[in-house]
Amino acid sequence: EAAVTQSPRNKVAVTGGKVTLSCNQTNNHNNMYWYRQDTGHGLRLIHYSYGAGSTEKGDIPDGYKASRPSQENFSLILELATPSQTSVYFCASGDNWGTGQLYFGEGSKLTVL
Amino acid sequence: QEKVQQSPESLIVPEGAMVSLNCSFSDSASQSIWWYQQHPGKGPKALISIFSNGNKKEGRLTVYLNRASLHVSLHIKDSQPSDSAVYLCAVSMANNAGAKLTFGGGTRLTVRP
Repeated sequence: EAAVTQSPRNKVAVTGGKVTLSCNQTNNHNNMYWYRQDTGHGLRLIHYSYGAGSTEKGDIPDGYKASRPSQENFSLILELATPSQTSVYFCASGDNWGTGQLYFGEGSKLTVL
Repeated sequence: QEKVQQSPESLIVPEGAMVSLNCSFSDSASQSIWWYQQHPGKGPKALISIFSNGNKKEGRLTVYLNRASLHVSLHIKDSQPSDSAVYLCAVSMANNAGAKLTFGGGTRLTVRP
């Protein structure tokens, strides 16, 4: 079974603070993704990566940065967190053939006060 | 930008009922259509996908795709309480590097014992 682990699982941050969400995958997948999930909006793509050193903007990238230092790790960075970024964030990895099957982590719940 | 709409938003059925979930999408050039299942507090998990017009059956699941009408449906036969979850429709757009998925808002299914 493909394995994607996220940390932290829960985070409370203050407005204006910096938040880093981390993701590690042991699937040897080239592709990794960050989504956020909010009631009424489903899953929305923030950033994704096709391999180490690459990051691409998704559909809602404003206020977020991403970093892919290695095949296994993909981070989402909120330089100046705002209450509107309170959400559940999911990381996923995808196979190298672009089939569309993603393997998701358990999610990171972020609350910005 | 791809748009994915799901209906109904929620559904309550008795155990053993046939369940029908609907999804419409906006881009006829989309490739695979995926259905994901998400239990509370967990990440989404891929259930079944379809690429070609027509239907595909896997166990109690059947998916129908009509590209002309930009519509896909998922049918769950003999529903069980363990099927209670949120079902997400996702449209995959792929290139040589990998796939990018756009998700609908989901349908919350409750199966009553």
